[in-house]
Amino acid sequence: KAGVTQTPRYLIKTRGQQVTLSCSPISGHRSVSWYQQTPGQGLQFLFEYFSETQRNKGNFPGRFSGRQFSNSRSEMNVSTLELGDSALYLCASSLIGNDDSPLHFGNGTRLTVT
Amino acid sequence: GESVGLHLPTLSVQEGDNSIINCAYSNSASDYFIWYKQESGKGPQFIIDIRSNMDKRQGQRVTVLLNKTVKHLSLQIAATQPGDSAVYFCAENYGQNFVFGPGTRLSVLP
Repeated sequence: KAGVTQTPRYLIKTRGQQVTLSCSPISGHRSVSWYQQTPGQGLQFLFEYFSETQRNKGNFPGRFSGRQFSNSRSEMNVSTLELGDSALYLCASSLIGNDDSPLHFGNGTRLTVT
Repeated sequence: GESVGLHLPTLSVQEGDNSIINCAYSNSASDYFIWYKQESGKGPQFIIDIRSNMDKRQGQRVTVLLNKTVKHLSLQIAATQPGDSAVYFCAENYGQNFVFGPGTRLSVLP
């Protein structure tokens, strides 16, 4: 069974631009979560989608948004990029959500904002 | 590869020895816990999980211990191998999402 796939693997953007990251979950998994990972803050929860609806949201500004499609694939968007948005963005999928289902992570998208 | 954490606590062990990685979790209401391993350039990989109605669970070469009284979780790795070198995270689930610990870097010495 294929794992969680994230594209692209690396991105370099300029301040003020916007970016879209993509995630394909494990087949059959209906919940997709996004995390931001930085050396200073560790793994921080962004949001979780289930059945095309955002079910949970972390403490990130509205510049961070996401969506989920009917096939459970998900995208996240960051608008008006800031230098501090440079991070590894991780997508994780699980069967039915964060209620006792382990998260399975992709290898992330490394975003660098210059 | 990517740097997971520049200032993580580090545990160095001799190859073949047992490793114990500790984690203090934050919420006494947490009822599900997971240990993850993250190698350079990769996402976190599931190792083992435990629910709050248990205090010990064993996998292949790994054991997780849960002490709810002091909100402490540990991961024991038997006969540590070079391939075990990575950053290890504990995660707790209460309510609606997982909260991750800061991580511990395990370095296996030859």
